[in-house]
Amino acid sequence: DQQVKQNSPSLSVQEGRISILNCDYTNSMFDYFLWYKKYPAEGPTFLISISSIKDKNEDGRFTVFLNKSAKHLSLHIVPSQPGDSAVYFCAASWTGNTGKLIFGQGTTLQVKP
Amino acid sequence: DTEVTQTPKHLVMGMTNKKSLKCEQHMGHRAMYWYKQKAKKPPELMFVYSYEKLSINESVPSRFSPECPNSSLLNLHLHALQPEDSALYLCASRVGPSHEQFFGPGTRLTVL
Repeated sequence: DQQVKQNSPSLSVQEGRISILNCDYTNSMFDYFLWYKKYPAEGPTFLISISSIKDKNEDGRFTVFLNKSAKHLSLHIVPSQPGDSAVYFCAASWTGNTGKLIFGQGTTLQVKP
Repeated sequence: DTEVTQTPKHLVMGMTNKKSLKCEQHMGHRAMYWYKQKAKKPPELMFVYSYEKLSINESVPSRFSPECPNSSLLNLHLHALQPEDSALYLCASRVGPSHEQFFGPGTRLTVL
């Protein structure tokens, strides 16, 4: 049972345009969501997170939107840069657990110059 | 110091060998994690240590043995591994009640 789903395995975007990565979840207990970026042969790098009490969180070029009723979140990258090309993982967690993260399968983003 | 370090970066071992992976953080984080990641898959949780005590073992085979000697150090002892255990092994740490985990660069393990 996949509780966190990233239905698009890959996404290709032109440099300077917006990249939108999507994530859906099924467990209503999740109250915190995170996005990680991963280059090959490296550990994931934390990008941005959002609590369920918010519907938007912004950090520079990265914005995460949360739609609780739809159990859907998205990561917007504007403008996209070639260095953003990586695998992006959505992850979910819930208050009271020992910090266990439930990851989606990942979306590979390619930003073309 | 906002870094999680892992050694070695690469490890090749035979199925009869005993080896250890090491993870270190000096951020004062009191929760530390071991993950296993196969190509094109998300990280898969193996163990969680909270305040130097093992709090979660995700039904990991006993050929993997974790150890937390102190609040900054996490080891993963490996013995009698199988070729299918070849993967990227990631360590992560987390501060207090926050949810964000910070990952090390990983150890690329190959079992022959």
